[in-house]
Amino acid sequence: DAKTTQPTSMDCAEGRAANLPCNHSTISGNEYVYWYRQIHSQGPQYIIHGLKNNETNEMASLIITEDRKSSTLILPHATLRDTAVYYCIVRVAWDTDKLIFGTGTRLQVFP
Amino acid sequence: DTAVSQTPKYLVTQMGNDKSIKCEQNLGHDTMYWYKQDSKKFLKIMFSYNNKELIINETVPNRFSPKSPDKAHLNLHINSLELGDSAVYFCASSQDGWDLGNTIYFGEGSWLTVV
Repeated sequence: DAKTTQPTSMDCAEGRAANLPCNHSTISGNEYVYWYRQIHSQGPQYIIHGLKNNETNEMASLIITEDRKSSTLILPHATLRDTAVYYCIVRVAWDTDKLIFGTGTRLQVFP
Repeated sequence: DTAVSQTPKYLVTQMGNDKSIKCEQNLGHDTMYWYKQDSKKFLKIMFSYNNKELIINETVPNRFSPKSPDKAHLNLHINSLELGDSAVYFCASSQDGWDLGNTIYFGEGSWLTVV
């Protein structure tokens, strides 16, 4: 029932930029796009979120298309410690406030 | 200085037992949550508490009951444990709930194994 679609897995060379795509074609106007990641055996970690403008913080950049139907998380200089499962999440419904994590993208950063 | 801490980290118990997982957050957040991550790694919300009131209750068995003695704590009680309850349980918190665009902070997880 996830409202997002992500590739199952991706590889990235250490030091290169990792670009993780996410499709959310049914996103509503008041729904945010969030990115979390989960490193093996740890709790999910917040990365970044946005509504319609591109966002950047110390961890990553979030690029949201103008129609908001897709977004890309960019890790500018991937390190081995960025190996994790990355979840793209949009809020599902205003009244039920359901929060759904999909299957995510397993990013493997290699030396 | 852990923001969201939960105990125990590992718990192995027999079917039919009753167990609790404790959670505490020192972020001053108003809302706390419990998530379950099953063997397929799907992460699903179970409960959320805002100002000591349950505001979300997903379709989980009533053997699971969240209890919040104060705003900083949300404990998860599980009665009559079943094999299918084996999973990783994550506690989390956020300020004023998700609908204001705020972020959720997760604990490190509690690995529950029912044998």
